[in-house]
Amino acid sequence: EVQLVQSGAEVKKPGESLRISCKGSGYSFTSYWISWVRQMPGKGLEWMGRIDPSDSYTNYSPSFQGHVTISADKSISTAYLQWSSLKASDTAMYYCARQSFDWLLNWFDPWGQGTLVTVSS
Amino acid sequence: QPVLTQPPSASASLGASVTLTCTLSSGYSNYKVDWYQQRPGKGPRFVMRVGTGGIVGSKGDGIPDRFSVLGSGLNRYLTIKNIQEEDESDYHCGADHGSGSNFVVFGGGTKLTVL
Repeated sequence: EVQLVQSGAEVKKPGESLRISCKGSGYSFTSYWISWVRQMPGKGLEWMGRIDPSDSYTNYSPSFQGHVTISADKSISTAYLQWSSLKASDTAMYYCARQSFDWLLNWFDPWGQGTLVTVSS
Repeated sequence: QPVLTQPPSASASLGASVTLTCTLSSGYSNYKVDWYQQRPGKGPRFVMRVGTGGIVGSKGDGIPDRFSVLGSGLNRYLTIKNIQEEDESDYHCGADHGSGSNFVVFGGGTKLTVL
């Protein structure tokens, strides 16, 4: 079974750093993109960026470029999303999702279960 | 890049049918759109991709035959027949410009209530 399993919920203070993870299993981790998607409380989905785990090439949405860093460790089939200095406005659910390299088939499937990040003083 | 517009809410009675709409902004009538279902408290789940020729590729795992899609002009439709309680979800549409690009956009989502 193809699965993406994310790390658990986090509660942080403004200014703190954070890295959350997404571990793939059941498929060749380096044969697909991993994307990260934000969902703020009660809101819709926002694509943040993606990584090619085979060479760590990344794309970022202009809205998130410079605010987060996406990385991957292909040896353990894990992708990461990290912040160097969190803000209260980063409070959201974060999902990872797999995408095919074939743009004709590159929908997000499957998705991880989500990681809730709460930033509060 | 296109803007995807979805009505915020829709409702249908148990056993009835409903059609959800995702509208692309002007000039993007050739774009394909992906539909995702998000049940309360859960992560999104891929339903299927739709272009002007209908479904592209295959449905997501476990998506019943009651779900179908159609595309016309700037509109991309998701129709659910014989609605069940478990269909009550938020439905999101999304579009990806293509592999390697930095453009992926989602609509605001439609909350479907089963009466």
